[in-house]
Amino acid sequence: GQQLNQSPQSMFIQEGEDVSMNCTSSSIFNTWLWYKQDPGEGPVLLIALYKAGELTSNGRLTAQFGITRKDSFLNISASIPSDVGIYFCAGQTTDSWGKLQFGAGTQVVVTP
Amino acid sequence: GAVVSQHPSWVICKSGTSVKIECRSLDFQATTMFWYRQFPKQSLMLMATSNEGSKATYEQGVEKDKFLINHASLTLSTLTVTSAHPEDSSFYICSASLRGNYGYTFGSGTRLTVV
Repeated sequence: GQQLNQSPQSMFIQEGEDVSMNCTSSSIFNTWLWYKQDPGEGPVLLIALYKAGELTSNGRLTAQFGITRKDSFLNISASIPSDVGIYFCAGQTTDSWGKLQFGAGTQVVVTP
Repeated sequence: GAVVSQHPSWVICKSGTSVKIECRSLDFQATTMFWYRQFPKQSLMLMATSNEGSKATYEQGVEKDKFLINHASLTLSTLTVTSAHPEDSSFYICSASLRGNYGYTFGSGTRLTVV
C-alpha cells in the first residue's frame, strides 16, 4: 500500500506567490521524483533526485532529497497560471527498482 | 528523448467485452514497463510490472486473468482488460524505463469507460 504522505492536499495561491509541498515516507528511498499531472494526461517528470541531500532546480522549481532519505520537498517560485495542476511525489526503494510509490498529490490552484 | 506513446487515449466498451491498451517507447528500448491505474481524484496505483520476454509481475490484489499483460518486444507492452465491467472504468497509465537510465517516463493515459 501507499507509504508516502504528501502535504498539503491542496493550495490556493495568488499569481506570483511561492508554493511549497513535501512528502514523507516510512521507508528509505533511493530515488525521489516529482511529477505534474494535468487533467486527462499522464504525469510529466519535473525533477528527479538520486542522492540524499541533493538539491536540484528546474527553472522556477526546486526540489531536495532529504538527508534521512525519507522525505523530499518541492518549491515553486513566483507562480504563474500555468502552474495549475496536481503535483505528485514518487519514490523508489532500493529493493524495488522501477516500481514507484506515489503520494496522494497536491492540487495547486493559481488565481490571477 | 524518452517518449512513451499510449493508445487509445480513451475507449468506451460494453460490459463483458475486452479492451486492449498499447504502450510504446518511441525513441528507446524499454526493458521494463509498468502499468498503473488511477481513479478520479486519487493517486496512481501500480498494477503490474511488464518485463520484455517474460511474464508480468502483478501487485497484490490485481487479478492477472483479468488484466493480461504482454511485453513481446522492447518497445511495446499491451494491457488487455478482459470481460470488462463498469468497476473496471478508470484511467490506465503506462510508464517505461531502461535499466541504468533511471528515467521514468509516462504515457498520456487511457480513459476506459465500461457501460
